[in-house]
Amino acid sequence: DVKVTQSSRYLVKRTGEKVFLECVQDMDHENMFWYRQDPGLGLRLIYFSYDVKMKEKGDIPEGYSVSREKKERFSLILESASTNQTSMYLCASSINYEQYFGPGTRLTVT
Amino acid sequence: RKEVEQDPGPFNVPEGATVAFNCTYSNSASQSFFWYRQDCRKEPKLLMSVYSSGNEDGRFTAQLNRASQYISLLIRDSKLSDSATYLCVVNIRGYQKVTFGIGTKLQVIP
Repeated sequence: DVKVTQSSRYLVKRTGEKVFLECVQDMDHENMFWYRQDPGLGLRLIYFSYDVKMKEKGDIPEGYSVSREKKERFSLILESASTNQTSMYLCASSINYEQYFGPGTRLTVT
Repeated sequence: RKEVEQDPGPFNVPEGATVAFNCTYSNSASQSFFWYRQDCRKEPKLLMSVYSSGNEDGRFTAQLNRASQYISLLIRDSKLSDSATYLCVVNIRGYQKVTFGIGTKLQVIP
């Protein structure tokens, strides 16, 4: 079974803080993704990576950056958290376009 | 027009009923199609891939209509445990990423 883990289930941060969300997969997948999910808006792609040190912007990259130094690990960084980044963040790894998700991190920015 | 469109519902159906959801996609270069299931406050999980010839898994049947650019999911003999949001997912040829529909909420009522 594919296992994708995320560093925190719940996180509360203050406006302006730098926030790191970590994601690790154990299936040697090339592709990894970060999404946010908001009521009424569905899942929106923030960034994805198709190889170590490679990244591509998704649909809503503004205010975010990513890092992929090792194949199994994909990090999402909020450089300066803002209240409109309060959301559920979901990481996924993928093979043959099938996506396998971690449990999600519910981030609240106050 | 959105790349992937779904009726958000909710669809409220009695136990034992048959229910069908449709999902339309706008890009004719779409090549891979999936249905995911998402329980409340949980991550999406792959339910089934959708093949050109259609496919069935127990009470679930998925079909693809390329001419009209939609996929469908049929659930027979609905169970209470089928209550969830069903997400339609589409991949466009040549791209590593996929696009999620907003999801259709199903509530099976005793």
